[in-house]
Amino acid sequence: GQNIDQPTEMTATEGAIVQINCTYQTSGFNGLFWYQQHAGEAPTFLSYNVLDGLEEKGRFSSFLSRSKGYSYLLLKELQMKDSASYLCAVREAYSGAGSYQLTFGKGTKLSVIP
Amino acid sequence: GAVVSQHPSRVICKSGTSVKIECRSLDFQATTMFWYRQFPKQSLMLMATSNEGSKATYEQGVEKDKFLINHASLTLSTLTVTSAHPEDSSFYICSASNTFNYGYTFGSGTRLTVV
Repeated sequence: GQNIDQPTEMTATEGAIVQINCTYQTSGFNGLFWYQQHAGEAPTFLSYNVLDGLEEKGRFSSFLSRSKGYSYLLLKELQMKDSASYLCAVREAYSGAGSYQLTFGKGTKLSVIP
Repeated sequence: GAVVSQHPSRVICKSGTSVKIECRSLDFQATTMFWYRQFPKQSLMLMATSNEGSKATYEQGVEKDKFLINHASLTLSTLTVTSAHPEDSSFYICSASNTFNYGYTFGSGTRLTVV
């Protein structure tokens, strides 16, 4: 099984930088994903880390430390449209059920204020 | 890129009736489909994993006779909520495994309200 923790809510100012942390415990790690989810919509893919280090993609960056069971999502130059929930999800090693399953954290609701 | 079409987007049904939700992969073959449920202010909870042509694998606590999953082809998977009750009201999302986005494409979700 897995245990994934991330803060419930965060507030940040437009134009600023915000870091959303995620810690996890898993018996077999096979990658960590970050998704953005607006209310009432499906998640959209933001980033994927499987090796330690920083992955940068435009205004979004994601970091992973496998030894610490820790990841963060960094959002720069915040915009009002970035107000959403951000989900950390961990993929375990092959489960035998046909494919690799994702287990999601409870999500961090980010509010961007003027 | 990979697209998964999920229908309906919203449905309201009476208690005791059944509702079918469809997910179609439009431009790729979805060998595996994951079905999730999300209650308000909660995260996505995996209900079941289905592979084309075989029986679905349900997560602990999910009734397989209540949530019927069919994955008869590589482009279509369906979830039928049978004898729906108000507590089944939730947001249901499918996700197909593929080679894009490191392996997962989500449908747009179905908001089910049972009255």
